[in-house]
Amino acid sequence: DTAVSQTPKYLVTQMGNDKSIKCEQNLGHDTMYWYKQDSKKFLKIMFSYNNKELIINETVPNRFSPKSPDKAHLNLHINSLELGDSAVYFCASDRGGYGYTFGSGTRLTVV
Amino acid sequence: GQSLEQPSEVTAVEGAIVQINCTYQTSGFYGLSWYQQHDGGAPTFLSYNALDGLEETGRFSSFLSRSDSYGYLLLQELQMKDSASYFCAVGISGNTPLVFGKGTRLSVIA
Repeated sequence: DTAVSQTPKYLVTQMGNDKSIKCEQNLGHDTMYWYKQDSKKFLKIMFSYNNKELIINETVPNRFSPKSPDKAHLNLHINSLELGDSAVYFCASDRGGYGYTFGSGTRLTVV
Repeated sequence: GQSLEQPSEVTAVEGAIVQINCTYQTSGFYGLSWYQQHDGGAPTFLSYNALDGLEETGRFSSFLSRSDSYGYLLLQELQMKDSASYFCAVGISGNTPLVFGKGTRLSVIA
């Protein structure tokens, strides 16, 4: 059983389109995150959710909107995609001091 | 702002020992973690230090000195499969997400 699953793994789309990435964890953790990894492999926090409530929203454009229907799911919706949004997006679940469990990542390419 | 410094690249020979250093300047400190990421893969958790000293997990060990704002990851008996990027990450508090360093790319050569 996959602990943190993300779909899709690859996403190629045109500028201006709207897309969603889904994330689900079966670990029973209360806290989930979205991280963006750029071409230089820098991991930057985007959003943090604790038990369905947004607790941190870093300086991310409002074209990005996270949605958490329940504490096992944290989806990311992106409107009006831009070239600069091309990156790998990781969902992660927090084990509370024992480390994060990351999803396999979604490689987004905007053309 | 938060700052974590680690070398960008390290090369070591198979069977050898390598140390990857991490220094941090952050507004708070809750613990230092290390993650491994292979090309095309996801970061995976390796170790966590909240207190000063050495933590050992098999071939990997991690050290922390809070007074020096410094830690390191030690990899022993290097294997080719250890070629990957290694990230240190700091927890500023118990309620904030980890801040990651820019990663160290380790190349293990024969």
